[in-house]
Amino acid sequence: AQSVTQPDIHITVSEGASLELRCNYSYGATPYLFWYVQSPGQGLQLLLKYFSGDTLVQGIKGFEAEFKRSQSSFNLRKPSVHWSDAAEYFCAVGARNNDMRFGAGTRLTVKP
Amino acid sequence: GAVVSQHPSRVICKSGTSVKIECRSLDFQATTMFWYRQFPKQSLMLMATSNEGSKATYEQGVEKDKFLINHASLTLSTLTVTSAHPEDSSFYICSAPSPGQGAPEQYFGPGTRLTVT
Repeated sequence: AQSVTQPDIHITVSEGASLELRCNYSYGATPYLFWYVQSPGQGLQLLLKYFSGDTLVQGIKGFEAEFKRSQSSFNLRKPSVHWSDAAEYFCAVGARNNDMRFGAGTRLTVKP
Repeated sequence: GAVVSQHPSRVICKSGTSVKIECRSLDFQATTMFWYRQFPKQSLMLMATSNEGSKATYEQGVEKDKFLINHASLTLSTLTVTSAHPEDSSFYICSAPSPGQGAPEQYFGPGTRLTVT
């Protein structure tokens, strides 16, 4: 079965600084990769997804992610973080049978 | 995009009682739905796969007699937490796969916060 590792439990960045959240996956077949954001007490919001094609994927709210097969990674980036980006971020890998597995999550704190 | 709703959004129940959570796909049909559980400050853990017209498939370690799942129609799945205890307090999220034959994607409900007192 597939699995996801998010090495960073908690990251703090200053507002306006750049951000990179790491995600590594393990899956024997073509991975379907996702990034979700969750604010406290709320559901999941899809930021972006990768199925195939261009390995640099653009998402909502100015986020992007790059799929690197050689590194089994799908890191999320944003050039300039806003205070409203503070939330929990989850990377997920899906399989063809709709089985989806989530990473442990990375909590983002934004300093003024 | 497709919408999945959950009801209720929050529920408080007394220990020993049962509570039902509904998951609906609002503008598409779903023969399969998924139920996740999320403890505070933790990730989503898949509990079970709900299958329309057949029994649910439970993940290892999930008590099927405690977490009853019924996929009543192509747009509705319900999760009933029976004889609830405080340790069942959690955030429960359902999802449904996108319709069609494209790459797999799931649409998530907004979640249900269960508090057992």
